[in-house]
Amino acid sequence: KAGVTQTPRYLIKTRGQQVTLSCSPISGHRSVSWYQQTPGQGLQFLFEYFSETQRNKGNFPGRFSGRQFSNSRSEMNVSTLELGDSALYLCASSTFSGGNAYEQYFGPGTRLTVT
Amino acid sequence: DAKTTQPNSMESNEEEPVHLPCNHSTISGTDYIHWYRQLPSQGPEYVIHGLTSNVNNRMASLAIAEDRKSSTLILHRATLRDAAVYYCILRAVIQGAQKLVFGQGTRLTINP
Repeated sequence: KAGVTQTPRYLIKTRGQQVTLSCSPISGHRSVSWYQQTPGQGLQFLFEYFSETQRNKGNFPGRFSGRQFSNSRSEMNVSTLELGDSALYLCASSTFSGGNAYEQYFGPGTRLTVT
Repeated sequence: DAKTTQPNSMESNEEEPVHLPCNHSTISGTDYIHWYRQLPSQGPEYVIHGLTSNVNNRMASLAIAEDRKSSTLILHRATLRDAAVYYCILRAVIQGAQKLVFGQGTRLTINP
């Protein structure tokens, strides 16, 4: 089975621009979660999508948004980029959301640099 | 969000057991304890999880205290490939949706 794929792997943007990151989960997985990883804050939860619905959201401003398509692929959008948005953005997929514990499978991440 | 506390770093020797501690004194009754590890330049990788009882799998063992306020990840025979940052995480289910709350993790160094 192919793993979680994220595109692009690297991205350089300028302050004020917007960016869209893409995540393709493992086949059959319906839950996709997004995380931001920075040296200072570590790994922080952004949001989770399940069956095209946002089920949970972390403490990030409204500039961070996402969506999930009917094939479970997900996109994350950040508008009006700030220098502090420079980070590794990780996507993780799992079989189900909620209920019993299911492990999440992480992609390699997209490294976003804002200049 | 319930938080976990781990030592910033630990060091061990190859082929020796490693015990990675984690404190989670504010854990709620429905939070699962998950462990993930992150190798350099990779996304986190699932290691093991448990709720109340000790758990074993091919990668590691998880020992959970009776009051569930702490747990220990045990690598039985460390190899150089086990050098990574290990995260102890509480998996909360909030309004039917799951959320992983990561701590700062423990950077494990394995000496040959």
